Amino acid sequence: GAVVSQHPSWVICKSGTSVKIECRSLDFQATTMFWYRQFPKQSLMLMATSNEGSKATYEQGVEKDKFLINHASLTLSTLTVTSAHPEDSSFYICSASFERGIRYGYTFGSGTRLTVV
Amino acid sequence: AQSVTQPDIHITVSEGASLELRCNYSYGATPYLFWYVQSPGQGLQLLLKYFSGDTLVQGIKGFEAEFKRSQSSFNLRKPSVHWSDAAEYFCAVGAENNDMRFGAGTRLTVKP
Repeated sequence: GAVVSQHPSWVICKSGTSVKIECRSLDFQATTMFWYRQFPKQSLMLMATSNEGSKATYEQGVEKDKFLINHASLTLSTLTVTSAHPEDSSFYICSASFERGIRYGYTFGSGTRLTVV
Repeated sequence: AQSVTQPDIHITVSEGASLELRCNYSYGATPYLFWYVQSPGQGLQLLLKYFSGDTLVQGIKGFEAEFKRSQSSFNLRKPSVHWSDAAEYFCAVGAENNDMRFGAGTRLTVKP
């Protein structure tokens, strides 16, 4: 159990276009999902926390107008990179909490490699 | 806010040798501690976690970790490394507000 599916696994897009990444909890309801960004050979940087039915909470320095997060249901959160530019190229990973709260750890998706050309 | 330090960026061990990956955390309260493993181009898989009780925690794939409050450490160990253990390992600390922060990661290379 506790599987998180992330789609697509990789995407190439042209500069100026928008890209949507989906994160689904397959066998559990996730009231909270998290979006991370990972640069090559670096750690995961938390971008935002997504709560079902409410606005996402963004970390300092993350542009909320560029990285749109929607958490419309208990099993789906989406991250849309708007007007993408080459510097947005990165590995994006989502995670969800199996149980309410952090103590049981989070389940991660397999990540999305975004390349903006 | 909590923070995590993984002092070793890269470690190389021979197959069959023992392994210890270091992790130090900073947090004012009792932390929730985790070790995750990441293979190239993949998401993170939870190896083990600690939030209370026995300070020696057993995880999957033969890994264990020991929480030492006096040293603010949560080092990951494995008695005998397999070639398939080569990956990136991340230590993470969580807080009551559900915020999870990751260390910079340690890349493990296993020599035949």
